[in-house]
Amino acid sequence: QVQLQESGPGLVKPSETLSLTCTVSGGSIRSYFWSWIRQPPGKGLEWIGYIHHTEGPRYNPSLKSRVTISIDTSKNQFSLRLSSVTAADTALYYCVSPSMDVWGQGTTVTVSS
Amino acid sequence: DIQMTQSPSSLSASVGDTVTITCQASQDISNNLNWFQQKPGNAPDLLIYDASNLETGVPSRFSGSGSGTHFTFTILSLLPEDFATYYCQQYGDLPLTFGGGTKVAIK
Repeated sequence: QVQLQESGPGLVKPSETLSLTCTVSGGSIRSYFWSWIRQPPGKGLEWIGYIHHTEGPRYNPSLKSRVTISIDTSKNQFSLRLSSVTAADTALYYCVSPSMDVWGQGTTVTVSS
Repeated sequence: DIQMTQSPSSLSASVGDTVTITCQASQDISNNLNWFQQKPGNAPDLLIYDASNLETGVPSRFSGSGSGTHFTFTILSLLPEDFATYYCQQYGDLPLTFGGGTKVAIK
């Protein structure tokens, strides 16, 4: 059974870069596309982007200029970087399996000085 | 972007009721649609994929139908554990997009 675990700072200052990592266990990351999805407090779900280990990343155009998703197959991890963050980027960030059937528990990131 | 219009945004129902939620896509997505359940404090759970296929382990009181632009999600005979928020999500085209959610509350 694949399991996902997000890790990274829970507090980021405005204008700085948010960095999160997702560790995949119980399965190989060398398959299909692995996603990052976020959910602002009390709001709905937004797809940030996904990555394939050979085909590379695809991003949501609404965030494309600020997002970088990378993958490290040796560590079975994929990562998210979101630059120039503002309070609007405060959210619960999830990493998600290719079929959307497995989600990490989510990690809350607050943007505040 | 494909817009997913989900309705209603909220509803009140009683245990034993049948509940139907609809999701309208702004363009044809064939059957490339998921339905999720989310309870407070938890990540979303995939219930239905490809518009009508029940995810393994999901009770048969949940069902989905539709293709193209119009989709429905039904819960037969609501149980107390079904009170939650439900989301549709399309994967017919990038960016992947979600409906706004339907909160199913106890009447």
